[in-house]
Amino acid sequence: EDQVTQSPEALRLQEGESSSLNCSYTVSGLRGLFWYRQDPGKGPEFLFTLYSAGEEKEKERLKATLTKKESFLHITAPKPEDSATYLCAVRFSGSARQLTFGSGTQLTVLP
Amino acid sequence: DVKVTQSSRYLVKRTGEKVFLECVQDMDHENMFWYRQDPGLGLRLIYFSYDVKMKEKGDIPEGYSVSREKKERFSLILESASTNQTSMYLCASSLSWAGGGGDTQYFGPGTRLTVL
Repeated sequence: EDQVTQSPEALRLQEGESSSLNCSYTVSGLRGLFWYRQDPGKGPEFLFTLYSAGEEKEKERLKATLTKKESFLHITAPKPEDSATYLCAVRFSGSARQLTFGSGTQLTVLP
Repeated sequence: DVKVTQSSRYLVKRTGEKVFLECVQDMDHENMFWYRQDPGLGLRLIYFSYDVKMKEKGDIPEGYSVSREKKERFSLILESASTNQTSMYLCASSLSWAGGGGDTQYFGPGTRLTVL
C-alpha cells in the first residue's frame, strides 16, 4: 500500500536554530511531491512541488529536497512566524488523480 | 495568484438538515476537490471533479454528494447531516493533471462545520 509518513510529529526550536522535517514514502511510481504550510483554522498554503530525485526548491528560509524515498524540508534560522503545521503530499502512479497526505509536522519556533 | 474561496468560514447545522458547501476558483482550473480534515486522521478526499458535470469518488464519499454545473464552482452536499460529519471542510483546485506545476492543488480557507 502506498504510504506517506512524516517525522517528527512535533518539533520545538529556538529562534535561529536550523532543522529539517522529513517526509518518507513507499510508492508505486512517484508522480510528484508537494509541501504545504497550514496555520491553525486555515487552509493549507502551497510551498513547493518536486518531481524528480535530486530536485531542490528554495523560498526564503525554506528549502525542499527530494530523493528516491524521501523529501526533506530544511528550515534555516527559523523565526516565530514560521510556526505552523507542515504537510507533505504525494501523487502516485497508482492513483494519479489523488494526493496522499502525511499527518504533518507541527513546528513551534520559540522567541 | 490563484484564489479559491469557500462560502462560509463557520457553519452550525442540526442533525438531519441538508447542507450545501460552495467553493469557487478564479483561475480556470480543470480539477476541483473536496476534503475533510480531522485531528489524527489528516486530510481525506471526499470527491473530486475533472470537468463540468464530471465527478469521481474519493476515499470517503459516503453521506456526501457533489455538483459541478460551472467550471469555476464545485458544491459539496450533505443530504442529511449527522454529528459524525462535524469537521473542517477544505476545497482545492488544480489546473490539470500535468506535471511542471500544473497538478499543484491550491486550497481555500476552509469551512468549519458543526452538526448538533
